Amino acid sequence: EPEVTQTPSHQVTQMGQEVILRCVPISNHLYFYWYRQILGQKVEFLVSFYNNEISEKSEIFDDQFSVERPDGSNFTLKIRSTKLEDSAMYFCASSEQFQGYTFGSGTRLTVV
Amino acid sequence: SQQGEEDPQALSIQEGENATMNCSYKTSINNLQWYRQNSGRGLVHLILIRSNEREKHSGRLRVTLDTSKKSSSLLITASRAADTASYFCATDVMGNTPLVFGKGTRLSVIA
Repeated sequence: EPEVTQTPSHQVTQMGQEVILRCVPISNHLYFYWYRQILGQKVEFLVSFYNNEISEKSEIFDDQFSVERPDGSNFTLKIRSTKLEDSAMYFCASSEQFQGYTFGSGTRLTVV
Repeated sequence: SQQGEEDPQALSIQEGENATMNCSYKTSINNLQWYRQNSGRGLVHLILIRSNEREKHSGRLRVTLDTSKKSSSLLITASRAADTASYFCATDVMGNTPLVFGKGTRLSVIA
């Protein structure tokens, strides 16, 4: 069964450092998303990407965040200057039109 | 406003029993989706029900949707210990718009 692949599974970074979280969505999917889940809290939407551009973003997705689809397969989330409160599980997802999402296993980001 | 609020927050049952989880939401939707999450792992899509559908089945799962009450339920029949996980409902307002997740129901199935 096709799956969404995320790397790394766990990343520890110093506060203020830049991190790049990587995702390989399912190849024939058109919609791509990043969500995050702070420990013990709800899954929160960050950004959606369609047709090579951001289609929607939440209030969380401020100027410190950016997304890129540098080639036909990868979809990355960059956090420019990490803060302690950025510590969370970050999930990438992809979907076809009007279908359920396929989520990756997540990257656990720990900012120290 | 909060969408996709599940209840109960936690549910503990014996293996073989049925588990019912409920979800309420506030705005009109295109579809509602249920996901499962094992502790510390990713979200697994279980079932999607569209706003014009009232009931859907997938294996041991049965989902209902009542748009007049803005509520949905997930029934897991003949539960197994492996069903132990958190279950989330998520609403999609227009189709491929950002999902809004509830806090989830933590289901424990005791062998």
